[in-house]
Amino acid sequence: GAVVSQHPSRVICKSGTSVKIECRSLDFQATTMFWYRQFPKQSLMLMATSNEGSKATYEQGVEKDKFLINHASLTLSTLTVTSAHPEDSSFYICSATGTSGRETQYFGPGTRLLVL
Amino acid sequence: TQLLEQSPQFLSIQEGENLTVYCNSSSVFSSLQWYRQEPGEGPVLLVTVVTGGEVKKLKRLTFQFGDARKDSSLHITAAQPGDTGLYLCAGERGGGGNKLTFGTGTQLKVEL
Repeated sequence: GAVVSQHPSRVICKSGTSVKIECRSLDFQATTMFWYRQFPKQSLMLMATSNEGSKATYEQGVEKDKFLINHASLTLSTLTVTSAHPEDSSFYICSATGTSGRETQYFGPGTRLLVL
Repeated sequence: TQLLEQSPQFLSIQEGENLTVYCNSSSVFSSLQWYRQEPGEGPVLLVTVVTGGEVKKLKRLTFQFGDARKDSSLHITAAQPGDTGLYLCAGERGGGGNKLTFGTGTQLKVEL
């Protein structure tokens, strides 16, 4: 099946710094990528939908200026957590779909962010 | 707003037992997916159901989509320790965009 990677797998940063998380589709072109956040023992919550070459669409309650998303190519989307705070500590997961528009979402392995 | 409620939230059983996980909503979904997620990893797709009343089997797992496409169930026969994990249902509302709404999750632990 299709492979989606994330980098880094885990990151620890100081409060107030920014952290960039990369999501790559390794063997297919991803028109759309999705970013989710998952707190311990909870489900996945969609943060934003990212389409290549256009601005991301954010879900209600997600601050677009805090969670910057860039989808500059068909194989790469990045999520930057700006001025991170301890409450931003979470498991961030991306997924990607192919170019047909009605395809399965393929999920990345997730990135564990810990803000001290 | 969590549109998909799963029950039970937690389940701890012995190896060999059977179990059923439910995924309920007041909304209609064009398709519904079931995932299993292990700690520190992304969710892995188990099955997609698209037709009301559809039943799909995957070895010891049986998935059913409700007639009205508002609910689904996952039944595991003769559970094994390897079935341990977080089970998530996720619905797609249709209208394009592939957006998924995830259920509240069911944490399953199968002990020897």
